[in-house]
Amino acid sequence: EAQVTQNPRYLITVTGKKLTVTCSQNMNHEYMSWYRQDPGLGLRQIYYSMNVEVTDKGDVPEGYKVSRKEKRNFPLILESPSPNQTSLYFCASSKNRRDYEFYEQYFGPGTRLTVT
Amino acid sequence: SQKIEQNSEALNIQEGKTATLTCNYTNYSPAYLQWYRQDPGRGPVFLLLIRENEKEKRKERLKVTFDTTLKQSLFHITASQPADSATYLCALEGNFNKFYFGSGTKLNVKP
Repeated sequence: EAQVTQNPRYLITVTGKKLTVTCSQNMNHEYMSWYRQDPGLGLRQIYYSMNVEVTDKGDVPEGYKVSRKEKRNFPLILESPSPNQTSLYFCASSKNRRDYEFYEQYFGPGTRLTVT
Repeated sequence: SQKIEQNSEALNIQEGKTATLTCNYTNYSPAYLQWYRQDPGRGPVFLLLIRENEKEKRKERLKVTFDTTLKQSLFHITASQPADSATYLCALEGNFNKFYFGSGTKLNVKP
């Protein structure tokens, strides 16, 4: 089954304790992305990757890191989490656009993070 | 950066009626626009994509229009059903492969 998986699904942590949220896709997609979703603000892009070893900042990258060492995995790292990073996080993947061919994003189930 | 506006108020309609949701965007016009459905506690699911040179796109009971002059997309669900109740998000790709989503409009279809 084609899917995007995220782990953990729920996480409660304390300020400053480094954490990693994993994301994996089995569709051989080049494009992967992380979003956070907050009430009234919608989905905001944190980081994205067009392919292995290629990553770029989205709209809200501060306080986050990512890496893309393998095509299927795109972990999100919070080196020193703070309460304002409490949010619902989604990983997504898609094919890269080619000329005038555009593709939809497939989303993971989400990770609800609480930082106290 | 690109800004997308969707009506933040919930849309309440009666079963069988047509629901119309609006998505307005600022700045430059995108090459295409997408609509997603999101159920509570779940990730968004893709519904439709419309290109800038397409005025209208249909899929079963769904219809999307794209007016690049008005910088607006409309999303219609005809013969709506309670199962259509969800939050609907519009999204577009901006410069440098970044994506922007609206905050979504919650649709409630009452039986």
